[in-house]
Parts: sequence; C-alpha cells; structure tokens
Amino acid sequence: AQSVSQHNHHVILSEAASLELGCNYSYGGTVNLFWYVQYPGQHLQLLLKYFSGDPLVKGIKGFEAEFIKSKFSFNLRKPSVQWSDTAEYFCAVKSSGSARQLTFGSGTQLTVLP
Amino acid sequence: NAGVTQTPKFQVLKTGQSMTLQCAQDMNHEYMSWYRQDPGMGLRLIHYSVGAGITDQGEVPNGYNVSRSTTEDFPLRLLSAAPSQTSVYFCASFTPRLETQYFGPGTRLLVL
Repeated sequence: AQSVSQHNHHVILSEAASLELGCNYSYGGTVNLFWYVQYPGQHLQLLLKYFSGDPLVKGIKGFEAEFIKSKFSFNLRKPSVQWSDTAEYFCAVKSSGSARQLTFGSGTQLTVLP
Repeated sequence: NAGVTQTPKFQVLKTGQSMTLQCAQDMNHEYMSWYRQDPGMGLRLIHYSVGAGITDQGEVPNGYNVSRSTTEDFPLRLLSAAPSQTSVYFCASFTPRLETQYFGPGTRLLVL
C-alpha cells in the first residue's frame, strides 16, 4: 500500500522567508503527485501536480515543487512567503492509471508571521 | 458550474442516530469519493465510486455506506453514529482526463 509522509507538522516563518515543506512517499510504481492547500475555514484547493516530464513543476501563487524519483520525494517550495500563505498544506499521491483515489499525508500547518 | 456541493455544512448527532451526508457535482465527472479529515491524520479515503452503480471501499470504510445511482450524486450514510465518527467530511469528484480532484466545502459532524 502506498503511504505519504510529511515530516513537518507545524512550520512558523516570518514574511519574506523562504519555504520548503518535505514530502516523501512509498510506492514502487508510477505515481501522480499533488500538493493541496487548505486555507482556514475553506476546502482543499490544488496548488500543483506532477504527472511526468520536467521534475520541477510550478503551481499557483508562486509555489513550486521538485520531484526526485531516487528519493521518493516531492518537496514544496516558495522563495518568499506572505502572511496570506498561512494555511495547511497536504501532499498526496495516486497510482498512475489507478481508479483508487488519493492517499494524503498528515499535513503541515504553515503560520506566517507579519 | 457549482462544482462539488455538500449538505449540511454542520451536523450534531447523538450516538446511535443515522444520517446521510449529501454530495453532488455538476461537472459530469466519472469518479467521486468521500474522505474524512482528522487532526494530525490528513485526509483518509472512506469510499469511492468510478461510475453510477459502482462503488468500492477506501482506507476507513467501517460504519459508512455509499451508493451511486446517478453520475451527479454520491451520498454517504452513517447507519449508527459513533463518537469516533466526529470529523470533517469532504466529498470530491475526479475525472481521469485531468487526473485532478475537486473538493467540496466539507461537512463538520459532531457525534455526542
């Protein structure tokens, strides 16, 4: 069975600091990878996704993520965070071509201090 | 398009009561799914459906039933609510063409 690990449960940064959130997955086959964001009181929104091709993918709001196959990692990055980035971030994986739905990590709460 | 809608937004139940969480989507997506979100555990898949009349179990199916009579609707039934089912429930729809899930706004359930 596939699993997803997010090692940082709560990250606190000041505005303009750089962000990197870790995500590692365990699955031997081809996967599709996702980062979702949940702002306070709102539902999940897709930040970015990786299916194939360039391992560096860019998403909305200045976020990007790099897929490193040898490390089974898909870390999320942003060069300069803003107060409005305060949210919970979820990494998720899905077996490529499978009907089964997403497996999520436990989430990372990001708090950006003004 | 309204996307994925869920009702109710909030519900309080007593142990042993039954209820149905409603989910509907207007994007003609083939797949639909239910997740529960608990602190520190992310989202866990309860049940999913790959089309009308076809459902399958996810990671945490016990205590929940689903059916899919139409493409648009995917209700989640709690037959006898338990305090362990206190959670936030998200419905999602998905199309293989885009390999992207679209989530509803969630239902917050409290079982006393």
